[in-house]
Amino acid sequence: EDQVTQSPEALRLQEGESSSLNCSYTVSGLRGLFWYRQDPGKGPEFLFTLYSAGEEKEKERLKATLTKKESFLHITAPKPEDSATYLCAVQAGGSYIPTFGRGTSLIVHP
Amino acid sequence: DVKVTQSSRYLVKRTGEKVFLECVQDMDHENMFWYRQDPGLGLRLIYFSYDVKMKEKGDIPEGYSVSREKKERFSLILESASTNQTSMYLCASSLTTGNEKLFFGSGTQLSVL
Repeated sequence: EDQVTQSPEALRLQEGESSSLNCSYTVSGLRGLFWYRQDPGKGPEFLFTLYSAGEEKEKERLKATLTKKESFLHITAPKPEDSATYLCAVQAGGSYIPTFGRGTSLIVHP
Repeated sequence: DVKVTQSSRYLVKRTGEKVFLECVQDMDHENMFWYRQDPGLGLRLIYFSYDVKMKEKGDIPEGYSVSREKKERFSLILESASTNQTSMYLCASSLTTGNEKLFFGSGTQLSVL
């Protein structure tokens, strides 16, 4: 049973077309929610950590938000170089091991 | 920046061979992890280690073992490679327990024929 579900699986956008990626989780005692970016043929690269509902983090065109049930990664006016797979992971309860979602593959067309 | 180095980017092995995947981190991190990544299945944890000579099973340890003789090095061993172990293998490290921001290597794409 998935504890972390990402949607959509794939997303195609035109350059400049803003959108959001979703990460919903069904865990108790959230300790942290992580967003990573993964380029083809490379390992994931850390973007953000969110700890509590209402928290927001921003980096360039990306903004991550957190509620009690889900997180959104908002992409404002994306560029082709934002094309990548975005992974969400949660750390919860007594475990310090993050559980990953299956990712959203984003393609931004020029 | 932390650097996590995996010894091979691509590896081709035969069924039944013993395979060693090596990972080295250069920032004195306590924790090290091995994941495999398959299309549609995401990242799945094989083994992790909180300290030298300590190891814990992850979600899919069957067919794998690990070794951590030095703090900076974490090895994944496939005792007898099988075709269903064809996958992308990712090593990661984190500073301490409770600080699970992970730093990943570039991955090893293993093909077992």
